[in-house]
Amino acid sequence: DAKTTQPNSMESNEEEPVHLPCNHSTISGTDYIHWYRQLPSQGPEYVIHGLTSNVNNRMASLAIAEDRKSSTLILHRATLRDAAVYYCILRSYGGSQGNLIFGKGTKLSVKP
Amino acid sequence: DGGITQSPKYLFRKEGQNVTLSCEQNLNHDAMYWYRQDPGQGLRLIYYSQIVNDFQKGDIAEGYSVSREKKESFPLTVTSAQKNPTAFYLCASSGTSDTGELFFGEGSRLTVL
Repeated sequence: DAKTTQPNSMESNEEEPVHLPCNHSTISGTDYIHWYRQLPSQGPEYVIHGLTSNVNNRMASLAIAEDRKSSTLILHRATLRDAAVYYCILRSYGGSQGNLIFGKGTKLSVKP
Repeated sequence: DGGITQSPKYLFRKEGQNVTLSCEQNLNHDAMYWYRQDPGQGLRLIYYSQIVNDFQKGDIAEGYSVSREKKESFPLTVTSAQKNPTAFYLCASSGTSDTGELFFGEGSRLTVL
């Protein structure tokens, strides 16, 4: 299964934008890019997903490179509640829905 | 409200005992998953099931067992054969016909004394 690579940690100031990168150089044409975040001692929650075009929702934006080998999760104005571990994973359409690989993710710290 | 319920939230077990973690969903999802998370680590897949009465091993299935007798339920048994069972266990579900979001439960924290 295709794997993703993310920085271990990032820091941001409150109310500033945050760009969280993810590399997925072995992505296949049927892989969707998903982002989840996990607060301490909680289950991960869905943030956003996309295939080729950039996507926006109330939580964040997802910018996908033209060759799809990388993507960036954008939090437009970070708040203290955005401090979490962010996971970028690939989910294949039409194939097995199992074995979704979660790496260590990026731990985002937000300073007041 | 629809969602996934895991129980118990905290569980203590003596070495050599089997323990079963419950996972129930009312989202009408076909697929369900069990993950294990150790401190400071990502999620590792234990078992997954795409349909009732069928399940597959994930990356770390040894020492664990599951059943899927009902669509809404996917219990995980941590057996005495699991050498290091102390961890945070997460259950998730999703529809198999699309690439939409995974829904996670709040997790069960197992400590072996």
